Amino acid sequence: RKEVEQDPGPFNVPEGATVAFNCTYSNSASQSFFWYRQDCRKEPKLLMSVYSSGNEDGRFTAQLNRASQYISLLIRDSKLSDSATYLCVVNSDAGNMLTFGGGTRLMVKP
Amino acid sequence: GAVVSQHPSRVICKSGTSVKIECRSLDFQATTMFWYRQFPKKSLMLMATSNEGSKATYEQGVEKDKFLINHASLTLSTLTVTSAHPEDSSFYICSARSPVGKSWEQYFGPGTRLTVT
Repeated sequence: RKEVEQDPGPFNVPEGATVAFNCTYSNSASQSFFWYRQDCRKEPKLLMSVYSSGNEDGRFTAQLNRASQYISLLIRDSKLSDSATYLCVVNSDAGNMLTFGGGTRLMVKP
Repeated sequence: GAVVSQHPSRVICKSGTSVKIECRSLDFQATTMFWYRQFPKKSLMLMATSNEGSKATYEQGVEKDKFLINHASLTLSTLTVTSAHPEDSSFYICSARSPVGKSWEQYFGPGTRLTVT
């Protein structure tokens, strides 16, 4: 079983739609959780950290469910510019290593 | 935020040759840098952790004699792909750990696309 699993998609949604991605992780000792965004042929960029209490940043909302070991990302009012691959990332040890999920591809259509 | 650069951004080389990729932290000192590899439509896979002044720590399955890592200064780490083969063609991305803030915070370079013919 992969350490961090995501549905690869693609998710094809119209502009203005709400879309949600889930991610599951296998290591119950995982400490920190993030969503990164990666555009085609570019490096990943931190979108947001995921806190136990959940957090919101504009149109983006992230949730963490430790009991079920999953993380979610909700995007409201999708824009064309949201089209990208969204990577679920987990920091599983006390060190600095990040484990990346396979990514979920989102395509927002006009 | 912190800036990490990579050079070259793209390289094409012939099978059997060696290629060196540089990763630089431009406005901060990075005691730890990471090297990742990403194949098409796949996620990033950590290859090795590079610590300034010491030997790199390689992930399981990554040949240390093939992927030579040198972290000679606090702002520069290099990855040399020796005797490159077509299967080494990939997107190589480095990241540097932020010296302040959370220990997990990493800043990624723009990546180097290697094509071995």
